Amino acid sequence: AQKITQTQPGMFVQEKEAVTLDCTYDTSDPSYGLFWYKQPSSGEMIFLIYQGSYDQQNATEGRYSLNFQKARKSANLVISASQLGDSAMYFCAMREGGNQFYFGTGTSLTVIP
Amino acid sequence: EAQVTQNPRYLITVTGKKLTVTCSQNMNHEYMSWYRQDPGLGLRQIYYSMNVEVTDKGDVPEGYKVSRKEKRNFPLILESPSPNQTSLYFCASSFSWGSPYEQYFGPGTRLTVT
Repeated sequence: AQKITQTQPGMFVQEKEAVTLDCTYDTSDPSYGLFWYKQPSSGEMIFLIYQGSYDQQNATEGRYSLNFQKARKSANLVISASQLGDSAMYFCAMREGGNQFYFGTGTSLTVIP
Repeated sequence: EAQVTQNPRYLITVTGKKLTVTCSQNMNHEYMSWYRQDPGLGLRQIYYSMNVEVTDKGDVPEGYKVSRKEKRNFPLILESPSPNQTSLYFCASSFSWGSPYEQYFGPGTRLTVT
């Protein structure tokens, strides 16, 4: 079974609108961390936001928030007020038991002016 | 400046010719890792290291070797490269403990094996 599933290969959003990128995960480990990374066309990997499995509140970092639904094993990324510079590939990832990392296949986001 | 460096950034080689991709970090991170990125497959972990002299296999270790003799360095060795190892490779590092221990990534190494 896939550890991280991102079901949206591509998404479009109008500039200044909000967008949700989906991510579901699979683990039986009670201790895990969930991450979102952005990869612009230049290729570097940029850390956006983190959610720990024991965190009670949803994580927020500026325009990024993580909608963490533990029972459903989902960790969706919400980007508010989209900007042209948000056009990129977005990866959801999980660190399981502190050791091994798993990444999803990514979602390509295009922001339309 | 805190960073992860990789060398070389681009490499074209032939099947069977041993190569090493170096990775170095200056953040005193315990955890280091190698990934390969292929279209449609995302990033897949090759090997990781929790600390000096401690390495473990990730999801796709076949055909690769690593060593961790010093905390700052984590080279990736392809002893007999094959065309299916043509890929974009990333090295990453993080602290092992403490939240959120996100990984810092190097700039990537694009490898072509002919």
